[in-house]
Amino acid sequence: DAGVIQSPRHEVTEMGQEVTLRCKPISGHNSLFWYRQTMMRGLELLIYFNNNVPIDDSGMPEDRFSAKMPNASFSTLKIQPSEPRDSAVYFCASRSWGSYEQYFGPGTRLTVT
Amino acid sequence: TQLLEQSPQFLSIQEGENLTVYCNSSSVFSSLQWYRQEPGEGPVLLVTVVTGGEVKKLKRLTFQFGDARKDSSLHITAAQPGDTGLYLCATDTGGGNKLTFGTGTQLKVEL
Repeated sequence: DAGVIQSPRHEVTEMGQEVTLRCKPISGHNSLFWYRQTMMRGLELLIYFNNNVPIDDSGMPEDRFSAKMPNASFSTLKIQPSEPRDSAVYFCASRSWGSYEQYFGPGTRLTVT
Repeated sequence: TQLLEQSPQFLSIQEGENLTVYCNSSSVFSSLQWYRQEPGEGPVLLVTVVTGGEVKKLKRLTFQFGDARKDSSLHITAAQPGDTGLYLCATDTGGGNKLTFGTGTQLKVEL
């Protein structure tokens, strides 16, 4: 199994630009999660989906952030417009229904200048 | 206020030493997980504890869930450089889906 796949691994962009992060969960997993990790705030849940449906987006910081899951094998997290304070490592994770364990991808390191 | 407070925040030790890191809260949890995160990678689940007083062992790592299910500890015996990483505790705060992570303990084991 390839595990959770994220792309790109690194993204450097200028303030005001649109950024799209991509995630392919583990095949057969029903739940998908987007997290953000910073030194100041640690690892925070942004949004999660069950069976491609967004369930809880209370962690999404602002309207500039949006996430979609058009099918069971793909999800995107978009930031438009990006700001320097969005700089962080963004992780995607997936989980099989009924399991405690979340499997994390390698993350996307985003730098907004 | 953080739901899960971990201590110490940083720990640097020599190979072969023993160590214990802690995860504390004022809330009662139905379960608690421990993850390890290595540089440039996502967290990886080490163990889940669900019963008050439960002790689980994973090679040189011993995990304990407090009797009142408000705290947990991770003890590493004879630490090795490969144990270096960020150790995170986490608990479900949303009916089986919403993990809240602790503040983390950054461990460095030197030769």
